[in-house]
Amino acid sequence: DSGVTQTPKHLITATGQRVTLRCSPRSGDLSVYWYQQSLDQGLQFLIQYYNGEERAKGNILERFSAQQFPDLHSELNLSSLELGDSALYFCASSPSPYSSGGAGELFFGEGSRLTVL
Amino acid sequence: LAKTTQPISMDSYEGQEVNITCSHNNIATNDYITWYQQFPSQGPRFIIQGYKTKVTNEVASLFIPADRKSSTLSLPRVSLSDTAVYYCLVASNSGYALNFGKGTSLLVTP
Repeated sequence: DSGVTQTPKHLITATGQRVTLRCSPRSGDLSVYWYQQSLDQGLQFLIQYYNGEERAKGNILERFSAQQFPDLHSELNLSSLELGDSALYFCASSPSPYSSGGAGELFFGEGSRLTVL
Repeated sequence: LAKTTQPISMDSYEGQEVNITCSHNNIATNDYITWYQQFPSQGPRFIIQGYKTKVTNEVASLFIPADRKSSTLSLPRVSLSDTAVYYCLVASNSGYALNFGKGTSLLVTP
C-alpha cells in the first residue's frame, strides 16, 4: 500500500460526458502528479501540482483540467470525453516539488480505470 | 530531460539473473537515474535510484559506468513474480515531468 488513494477505481461513461477523478496523496506529501496510461501510449505525464499550485504540465489535453485543494487532495476533470480517453489514470505523490534526483521517489496509487463507450 | 532507450521486452527463466540496460546518451551532470517496476493494473513502484557507480538494495542492483551514458538494472535470481514492466527514468533535482514511456516488459517463465 503506497498510501495514495484514488477514487473511483472503475468508471464507465459515454462519449461527450464529463468525469472527475479524485486523489488523496500520502500524508505529508505536497506534490501530486497525474498520469495517463493507455495500451499504445505507455505511461504519460499529464500535470503536477505542488502545495496547491500548478508546477509542471505535460501532455494534458485542453479538455482536461486539474486542481489541488488546500487539504492537498487533487481532482482531475475530464470533459467532452472521447473513446480514446479510455485509459488508466494514475495519481502519484511525493514530499518534494521535484520528481527525481535526491528527492527520491514517486508513490503511485492503484489508478482509476476509465472506459468511454 | 534526457531521452532514454531500453528494450521493449525481455524473457528469462526462473532463477536466472536479469540485466536490463537503459541508454541515456544526453544525461546531464545533475541527472539521477531511477528505475520503477509496474505490475498489470497497478501503479509503478520505485525500485532503485543512483547517480554513479553501483547502488544495491534488497531488490536489485544498479550499475552506472563512469560516463553515465547508460545504466543497467540487475535483478538477481528472478522469480515468476518479477514478471512486470520496468521503466528507466533520468531527471535532475529540478526535474519536473517524468514521462515513463513504454518501459521493458519482462516475462519470467518456469
